[in-house]
Amino acid sequence: GAVVSQHPSRVICKSGTSVKIECRSLDFQATTMFWYRQFPKQSLMLMATSNEGSKATYEQGVEKDKFLINHASLTLSTLTVTSAHPEDSSFYICSARDAGGDQETQYFGPGTRLLVL
Amino acid sequence: GQSLEQPSEVTAVEGAIVQINCTYQTSGFYGLSWYQQHDGGAPTFLSYNALDGLEETGRFSSFLSRSDSYGYLLLQELQMKDSASYFCAVGAAGNKLTFGGGTRVLVKP
Repeated sequence: GAVVSQHPSRVICKSGTSVKIECRSLDFQATTMFWYRQFPKQSLMLMATSNEGSKATYEQGVEKDKFLINHASLTLSTLTVTSAHPEDSSFYICSARDAGGDQETQYFGPGTRLLVL
Repeated sequence: GQSLEQPSEVTAVEGAIVQINCTYQTSGFYGLSWYQQHDGGAPTFLSYNALDGLEETGRFSSFLSRSDSYGYLLLQELQMKDSASYFCAVGAAGNKLTFGGGTRVLVKP
């Protein structure tokens, strides 16, 4: 099946710093990727839709200036958490839709656990 | 908007059958998906229903009734490794997914 990777898998940073998370589709092209956030024992909440070659679409309540998304190629999307604060500590997961495959299936990355001190 | 309801937790013994129900309210419906997530891991795709009826994939089956805005995931011959959280998710325009709150399944020996 299709594989999506994320890097880093875990990051600890100081409050006020910025953190970049990469999401890569390894064996398929993804015109659309999605970024989710998951707090402990809660569901996945969609943050934004990342579109290759265009601006990301953010869900209501998600600050686009705080969570910068860049989808520069068909296999890479990045999420940058700017000026991170402890309340941003969460599990960030990306998913990708195979542009040439089943349009209904999303493939999830392994997630990035962010801890802001 | 979209909202989905599913039970928060289910406990069963090895070899048993578990049914996880999911009811949804949507402004647009593009299918019901099910995902499994083990603690600390990422969700993995289990099944997808766009049309009414039952889809069977090994020990797992998923059912959809669009007229009732209802679906379920059936886990048969439960194994210890099936202990995980199970999420139903509704697809919407733009291939967005809205997830339910998740059902934590605990399998006991």
